[in-house]
Amino acid sequence: GENVEQHPSTLSVQEGDSAVIKCTYSDSASNYFPWYKQELGKRPQLIIDIRSNVGEKKDQRIAVTLNKTAKHFSLHITETQPEDSAVYFCAAGGGTSYGKLTFGQGTILTVHP
Amino acid sequence: DSGVTQTPKHLITATGQRVTLRCSPRSGDLSVYWYQQSLDQGLQFLIQYYNGEERAKGNILERFSAQQFPDLHSELNLSSLELGDSALYFCASSPGTNQETQYFGPGTRLLVL
Repeated sequence: GENVEQHPSTLSVQEGDSAVIKCTYSDSASNYFPWYKQELGKRPQLIIDIRSNVGEKKDQRIAVTLNKTAKHFSLHITETQPEDSAVYFCAAGGGTSYGKLTFGQGTILTVHP
Repeated sequence: DSGVTQTPKHLITATGQRVTLRCSPRSGDLSVYWYQQSLDQGLQFLIQYYNGEERAKGNILERFSAQQFPDLHSELNLSSLELGDSALYFCASSPGTNQETQYFGPGTRLLVL
């Protein structure tokens, strides 16, 4: 089955800096890669996703890149703000897995004012 | 608010007992997914139903079962509960079956004593 590795597990940055979180996946059939943000005690919320026919996608301060050959994808947050502090999860799915998403272990992002 | 509702919000029970968690998907969504989130295992996919039919299965224990009813709400039944079943249980929904945004509900926090 699919296996998703996410790094780093914790990330601390100063307000205004950029943050990068990286994930690798094992199943070459996976073709859908969402990123979720989860605040303490709250539900995971989708912040951006990318499908295998696209190499990069951007939404304001957030961007995701995908390298299907290397089987890795990354989340980039620019001009970080304290409200970006949360746990971020990458996931992989699609292909033969139907709707099943396999999640990474999460990255605790802390943005210091 | 994602439009996905879950009840109850909190549940405290004893080992050996059985509980039922309920989920109502967003209006128009045909797929319902169940996930378990614990501190040591992260977000784990349990099962997916699409329009009443089981579509994908994860590492769901035999003590756990789920179903989706004609009105598309879903129930997750957990029996012979163990201490290790204590976790947050999330339901998510999407319009179809694959490569789609999954919208998460607020979760049910289960504590087994």
